Amino acid sequence: GNSVTQMEGPVTLSEEAFLTINCTYTATGYPSLFWYVQYPGEGLQLLLKATKADDKGSNKGFEATYRKETTSFHLEKGSVQVSDSAVYFCALSDFARETSGSRLTFGEGTQLTVNP
Amino acid sequence: NAGVTQTPKFRILKIGQSMTLQCTQDMNHNYMYWYRQDPGMGLKLIYYSVGAGITDKGEVPNGYNVSRSTTEDFPLRLELAAPSQTSVYFCASSYWTGGNQPQHFGDGTRLSIL
Repeated sequence: GNSVTQMEGPVTLSEEAFLTINCTYTATGYPSLFWYVQYPGEGLQLLLKATKADDKGSNKGFEATYRKETTSFHLEKGSVQVSDSAVYFCALSDFARETSGSRLTFGEGTQLTVNP
Repeated sequence: NAGVTQTPKFRILKIGQSMTLQCTQDMNHNYMYWYRQDPGMGLKLIYYSVGAGITDKGEVPNGYNVSRSTTEDFPLRLELAAPSQTSVYFCASSYWTGGNQPQHFGDGTRLSIL
């Protein structure tokens, strides 16, 4: 079956540091890949997505590239801010049928804390 | 600009009690989902629905029931609460476009079974 593996956290950085959160996946076919972010006390919000190999998703200074050859979708940001402190989830959407919708498989989540 | 709304935000139940977690969305999405999130874990799919009157089991459906009488509402029912159901529950919704559209999440219901 499908699975998503994220780097273990928590991750603690100083403001303006470079961020990488690793994500690798196992899936049949050609899934779409997502990064979601969860701020304290809130639900998940879509951060970025990529729907085919070599696509780069980007949003709010975060980027991730869909690498089919390494089955990876690592999240990066060049200069993190205190406001980026949150839990980040990598997820994949398997080949969706109209009878099942876009079912997501999530990684375990990575807690990021950015200190001033 | 409501999106996906879940109620209640917090609830404490005794073992054996029952309750319904409410979820409503105002985006006219045809697909809706229920997940649970346990500490240090990703989200696990409980049930999903592809439209009014149609529901199906996800990864972890035991101990739960759902119904979908309207496009907007997708309540989750716990009949006999057990400590193992202590978790944070998230409802989500999406359009159908072949799997590349994101799901939109509510803020969650934090449920404790004592």
